[in-house]
Amino acid sequence: GDSVTQMEGPVTLSEEAFLTINCTYTATGYPSLFWYVQYPGEGLQLLLKATKADDKGSNKGFEATYRKETTSFHLEKGSVQVSDSAVYFCALKDTGRRALTFGSGTRLQVQP
Amino acid sequence: DSGVTQTPKHLITATGQRVTLRCSPRSGDLSVYWYQQSLDQGLQFLIQYYNGEERAKGNILERFSAQQFPDLHSELNLSSLELGDSALYFCASSPRQGEGGTQYFGPGTRLLVL
Repeated sequence: GDSVTQMEGPVTLSEEAFLTINCTYTATGYPSLFWYVQYPGEGLQLLLKATKADDKGSNKGFEATYRKETTSFHLEKGSVQVSDSAVYFCALKDTGRRALTFGSGTRLQVQP
Repeated sequence: DSGVTQTPKHLITATGQRVTLRCSPRSGDLSVYWYQQSLDQGLQFLIQYYNGEERAKGNILERFSAQQFPDLHSELNLSSLELGDSALYFCASSPRQGEGGTQYFGPGTRLLVL
């Protein structure tokens, strides 16, 4: 079946540091890949997505590239801010399936 | 703001009770999905409706049921509540086609069963 594996958190960084959150997946078809973010006390917000291999999704300074050869979709940001503190979820939607499969989430804490 | 609305935002109830959670999808979206987020199980898909019809079921308990109405809003009914049902319940909607299956999530309903 489909699965998503994310790096364990929390990830603690200083402001302006470089961020990488690793995400790898297993899918039977040709999935679309997503990153969602959950700020404290709020719902899930779509951060970025990629629908086919080698696509790069980007938004608000965050980027992730769909790597089919390594089945990965790592999230990166060049310079994090305190306001980026949140939980980040990697997810996939496989072909022929209706629901999203989520990773366990990675908590990011950015210190001033 | 995703355009998906959920009510209520918080719900506190007792074991054995029944509650109803409500969701309105984004304008034009025909699909509604329900997910449960708990500390031990993470984010789990419960059920999907498309234009009033059930289309997919996930890990939904028999005590739980859902429906989608002609105006496309959806309700998730949880009955005979147990302590373990305490969780954040999300509704999401998606466009009919395109966008690679993107789902847009509401703010969630936080359920606490005492």
